[in-house]
Amino acid sequence: EVQLVESGGGLVQPGGSLRLSCAASGFTFSSHWMSWVRQAPGKGLEWVAKITQDGGGKYYVDSVKGRFTISRDNAKNSLFLQMNSLRAEDTAVYYCARLLSSGSQYFDSWGQGSLVTVSS
Amino acid sequence: DIVMTQSPDSLAVSLGERATINCKSSQSVLHSSNNKNYLAWYQQKPGQPPKLLIYWASTRESGVPDRFSGSGSGTDFIFTISSLQAEDVAVYYCQQYYSTPLTFGPGTKVEIK
Repeated sequence: EVQLVESGGGLVQPGGSLRLSCAASGFTFSSHWMSWVRQAPGKGLEWVAKITQDGGGKYYVDSVKGRFTISRDNAKNSLFLQMNSLRAEDTAVYYCARLLSSGSQYFDSWGQGSLVTVSS
Repeated sequence: DIVMTQSPDSLAVSLGERATINCKSSQSVLHSSNNKNYLAWYQQKPGQPPKLLIYWASTRESGVPDRFSGSGSGTDFIFTISSLQAEDVAVYYCQQYYSTPLTFGPGTKVEIK
């Protein structure tokens, strides 16, 4: 069974940093693109970033470019999101999600999410 | 960027009745190389992560009941629950994966009348 478990969320002040982690199990992690999707309180879904199987390709939504960095450690079956220069509008539940493949970029498995609150 | 819109924003349907959601993309998500529509549908129940229901616009994910179906091509898509059950109360999202950035529709809330 595919499992994705996020951690690292919490309360941070505007301008601060936070690092999210996602522990993956139940599948061959190194064979899949991975992604982060967020959902602001009471709002819809927004794709944030995605990364290729080997970590060599990284893609971001414009609103986080230059502030967020996605990375992975295939030896540890882990996905990360380093978030810097956080803003109030980054407040959201952040989901770790698996993309089926490079040519089929829909999200076939999701974690339970990690809440990030940016507030003073 | 491909902008996704959905209608209605919400709908209330009686148990056993049909629920229909429309999704429209700002440009075609039909890929000419394989004649596939790069469109997925998700269900999100309160307090839960989204769940994949449909991909390639009309292919049901394994284990998804056949009362859920998707249709359409190009820029216009329809998601249908043929006979609404109590457990189908949720928000439903469409998502295009034709191009980056991956984008979602704003969601449609389905409730029981």
